[in-house]
Amino acid sequence: NAGVMQNPRHLVRRRGQEARLRCSPMKGHSHVYWYRQLPEEGLKFMVYLQKENIIDESGMPKERFSAEFPKEGPSILRIQQVVRGDSAAYFCASSRQGSSNQPQHFGDGTRLSIL
Amino acid sequence: RKEVEQDPGPFNVPEGATVAFNCTYSNSASQSFFWYRQDCRKEPKLLMSVYSSGNEDGRFTAQLNRASQYISLLIRDSKLSDSATYLCVVNGLTGGGNKLTFGTGTQLKVEL
Repeated sequence: NAGVMQNPRHLVRRRGQEARLRCSPMKGHSHVYWYRQLPEEGLKFMVYLQKENIIDESGMPKERFSAEFPKEGPSILRIQQVVRGDSAAYFCASSRQGSSNQPQHFGDGTRLSIL
Repeated sequence: RKEVEQDPGPFNVPEGATVAFNCTYSNSASQSFFWYRQDCRKEPKLLMSVYSSGNEDGRFTAQLNRASQYISLLIRDSKLSDSATYLCVVNGLTGGGNKLTFGTGTQLKVEL
């Protein structure tokens, strides 16, 4: 499968724990984006990364959330000290180039549930 | 005012019907436009890009009116498999940033 790969598909955490979500872009894509979809809401942009660089993190909450896209390996979205309000579907997308007319292709998402 | 506005529906139509969805966006500096579909809160899948000249892909036709900041999607000869939520998506809302801004979606239910 050459599509965007996200894991895990489902993640359950207790309040205060850490959540790590992984995303491998499509082959040949070096631009990665994270979006969050809260229950009954639309998708909201969180962060845009290119290899080893954060390009735009204007959608990231100021605290507890961080993202990286190392030279080797998948992009990681990390949520520290999770709270109930973090329960959502987290989608990763990738594109070959960073221009705005390039479609972004999405992975299956990670459904995060906080107990 | 929302950055991208859509009628949430649901639109319930019989198989074979023609249905049209509309969308408006607030920022005239927006650069690129797309329609995605999302099934049961699975991953969004690109349906088509939208160009000022209008474009067609099989039963689907998309139109963009930059002057009115209005985007449309027309589906002809609806199939049961077209049942989904259709997301109007705009890129470049904040002056060149490569981030997609999604409408909340219009739900379509195609019935026998």
